[in-house]
Amino acid sequence: GQNIDQPTEMTATEGAIVQINCTYQTSGFNGLFWYQQHAGEAPTFLSYNVLDGLEEKGRFSSFLSRSKGYSYLLLKELQMKDSASYLCAAMDSNYQLIWGAGTKLIIKP
Amino acid sequence: IAGITQAPTSQILAAGRRMTLRCTQDMRHNAMYWYRQDLGLGLRLIHYSNTAGTTGKGEVPDGYSVSRANTDDFPLTLASAVPSQTSVYFCASSATGVDEQFFGPGTRLTVL
Repeated sequence: GQNIDQPTEMTATEGAIVQINCTYQTSGFNGLFWYQQHAGEAPTFLSYNVLDGLEEKGRFSSFLSRSKGYSYLLLKELQMKDSASYLCAAMDSNYQLIWGAGTKLIIKP
Repeated sequence: IAGITQAPTSQILAAGRRMTLRCTQDMRHNAMYWYRQDLGLGLRLIHYSNTAGTTGKGEVPDGYSVSRANTDDFPLTLASAVPSQTSVYFCASSATGVDEQFFGPGTRLTVL
């Protein structure tokens, strides 16, 4: 079957760095997406990886290892506004996204 | 309008009633999607459309139907609502179907 695993909840301190891990098992693979979702709002796109390695975009970076079925999202210089859920999604061979349940990130001052 | 709009924002519905959730995008995206989001679960795909005139079933299509008469609109119909269809429904679109998806603001549906 197809499956995405990510931690349910994480807590971090303002100004610090946090890494949110995601492991995936899909029928075929066409890329790994990360989305941010604030409470009561729609998901918004953060990053996309299809090749192994690190993609950096400002304070956010995303890493992919296809051989390990593993990705992480790295958030630096955490701000209170980063308190949100972070959704990992893998695109399968049919180009459909398989979604994890999301990681709720709590930022403490 | 810019992006994707959904209507209504929220709705309380009696079981057995028919309901259509509306979704409109103005980005001329080819692909559109309907998801439901339930607490503790990931987004689950209900139906999708890769291009106007075509539709396909996702992971949880039972009890739902869609149509794609044109590029912009992708309504989702619940023929006879049941309490298990209580959820937040998101419509999304992507330009090509293999790139990032853009989401509408969602419809919160409660079926009693």
